Amino acid sequence: DSGVTQTPKHLITATGQRVTLRCSPRSGDLSVYWYQQSLDQGLQFLIQYYNGEERAKGNILERFSAQQFPDLHSELNLSSLELGDSALYFCASSVWDSLPSTQYFGPGTRLTVL
Amino acid sequence: GQQLNQSPQSMFIQEGEDVSMNCTSSSIFNTWLWYKQDPGEGPVLLIALYKAGELTSNGRLTAQFGITRKDSFLNISASIPSDVGIYFCAGHEGTSYDKVIFGPGTSLSVIP
Repeated sequence: DSGVTQTPKHLITATGQRVTLRCSPRSGDLSVYWYQQSLDQGLQFLIQYYNGEERAKGNILERFSAQQFPDLHSELNLSSLELGDSALYFCASSVWDSLPSTQYFGPGTRLTVL
Repeated sequence: GQQLNQSPQSMFIQEGEDVSMNCTSSSIFNTWLWYKQDPGEGPVLLIALYKAGELTSNGRLTAQFGITRKDSFLNISASIPSDVGIYFCAGHEGTSYDKVIFGPGTSLSVIP
């Protein structure tokens, strides 16, 4: 158990819908990261927050957005869902926003878009 | 863009055998990371390497940062069934996690 929690574990929805994925970082960790893992693209960095502020953006689509709340939990919002958005979405956290601070991954949310 | 290649793509070995896998890059990296992902779980950091030529161990795992800075190697000695999973390498030029690039992974199966 990494100490990072993600809900829900599984999510099945239809194309065009909007979903929200939730992440609670490890106690004391200020930085939260979101990743997408698909069979054809592998593990891709989406976005990073540090202490409530957006720190870095990766390959995140405009249909996707995220935020980190004052209690440091984070939400990833995916809208106008397409079949290709089906993937595992991981949240990770670390104390600081860079190495050598270790990054801990949550168990992931498996999103299936039908 | 930068890409990482991992080989082999998959391995089937007998319990007790040693395992070697590697990761190569088209670019020079300053940091190499090795992760293991169990089915249904998120990746777990195994070893971090920060200097060319560095050799670091974590139990039965040993990883090396290649001298050219374009490759890294992971060895597992005396494999056991719980070593099953996907091993990812990751690297980047600096220290911030947003620039980390992950390899496609090596799937390891251990036959008891």
